[in-house]
Amino acid sequence: DTGVSQDPRHKITKRGQNVTFRCDPISEHNRLYWYRQTLGQGPEFLTYFQNEAQLEKSRLLSDRFSAERPKGSFSTLEIQRTEQGDSAMYLCASSLALDGNEQFFGPGTRLTVL
Amino acid sequence: GQNIDQPTEMTATEGAIVQINCTYQTSGFNGLFWYQQHAGEAPTFLSYNVLDGLEEKGRFSSFLSRSKGYSYLLLKELQMKDSASYLCAVRDVPDKLIFGTGTRLQVFP
Repeated sequence: DTGVSQDPRHKITKRGQNVTFRCDPISEHNRLYWYRQTLGQGPEFLTYFQNEAQLEKSRLLSDRFSAERPKGSFSTLEIQRTEQGDSAMYLCASSLALDGNEQFFGPGTRLTVL
Repeated sequence: GQNIDQPTEMTATEGAIVQINCTYQTSGFNGLFWYQQHAGEAPTFLSYNVLDGLEEKGRFSSFLSRSKGYSYLLLKELQMKDSASYLCAVRDVPDKLIFGTGTRLQVFP
């Protein structure tokens, strides 16, 4: 399978715990994006990378959230001190940095904070 | 601010044609995308418009008017498998997608 993959697919955690998600983009894609989606809503932009550089981070993202893409390939998204409001589907997408190129989405990680 | 509006729900009959509208007001514009999302699955790309006019792709067409901040997705010869959410997304400068809330389409036999 040469699509975007995410791990884990589901995560249940207790409030206050830290969680980390992984995304592996399509191999030749240099841009990688993180979105969050709650039930009945469209995906909400969190952050994106070009190669290993984090180019933009949403103002809505609290300092409990951090993302890395250390070697310009896979990326991790960490949430510290999780809150119930963090429960959502976390989607990763990748693309080539060319005009008009669509973003390809992974299957997502569903986070439930108890 | 960023605002993308689309109807919350629509219903249609198998074999019919349905048009899903999207209006947007965004600080930047670098193209408009339509994605399809089945329940519990990832969004999948349907179409992209950056210039005014109609783009056709099989049973799906998408239209854009930049001056009006308006787009629509046209689905022809509806099939049961077209029951899904349809997401309108504006590509903001330099490169992030701003999504609407999505339109949930139900196709009935």
